[in-house]
Amino acid sequence: DAKTTQPTSMDCAEGRAANLPCNHSTISGNEYVYWYRQIHSQGPQYIIHGLKNNETNEMASLIITEDRKSSTLILPHATLRDTAVYYCIVSNPRSYNTDKLIFGTGTRLQVFP
Amino acid sequence: DTGVSQDPRHKITKRGQNVTFRCDPISEHNRLYWYRQTLGQGPEFLTYFQNEAQLEKSRLLSDRFSAERPKGSFSTLEIQRTEQGDSAMYLCASSLENSNTEAFFGQGTRLTVV
Repeated sequence: DAKTTQPTSMDCAEGRAANLPCNHSTISGNEYVYWYRQIHSQGPQYIIHGLKNNETNEMASLIITEDRKSSTLILPHATLRDTAVYYCIVSNPRSYNTDKLIFGTGTRLQVFP
Repeated sequence: DTGVSQDPRHKITKRGQNVTFRCDPISEHNRLYWYRQTLGQGPEFLTYFQNEAQLEKSRLLSDRFSAERPKGSFSTLEIQRTEQGDSAMYLCASSLENSNTEAFFGQGTRLTVV
């Protein structure tokens, strides 16, 4: 079973920031938080990941709470092409038996004009 | 390297037939994963290879399913005696061992059993 909880769906206006929350209260110390998204009929696409510090790349920012029990993915200026299902996953990439990605049902983000 | 590639992209087969899918991972990646995804659900883990060794199989992988990665490079997933319930998107992903970098997914093979 997925170790994360996400809202089923969210809406965001084009050009505004999209803030997608994720709860992972049972995360262990060596597990990372990963975010992937899946645009219709395509394979999942990596967005960002982090262990305990906030992270930023060209696609998004990841804010992880100090207790690591929750995180927020931020798309700073959402576009229509960001409409997708967003998955929050916890995984230990250095463990051969816990490194696989376990997907939940994700958050369906709809960006509207 | 153009990423993870899967072949075919689409497959329609009659119930009871056998099908085989191929996955070519990113060349230096030694970990390879197969997932299955049905409509409205997230991808479900099926099996995982590290080099040529199949290290884990999900309970979803019935005895009609078999996966191989003979030389630690490409992998095949075979479904024997297909059933309508096998209709799904089959996704392959690869990653690098002992790295905290991401897994890369292919575009998937969409199987329709009629």
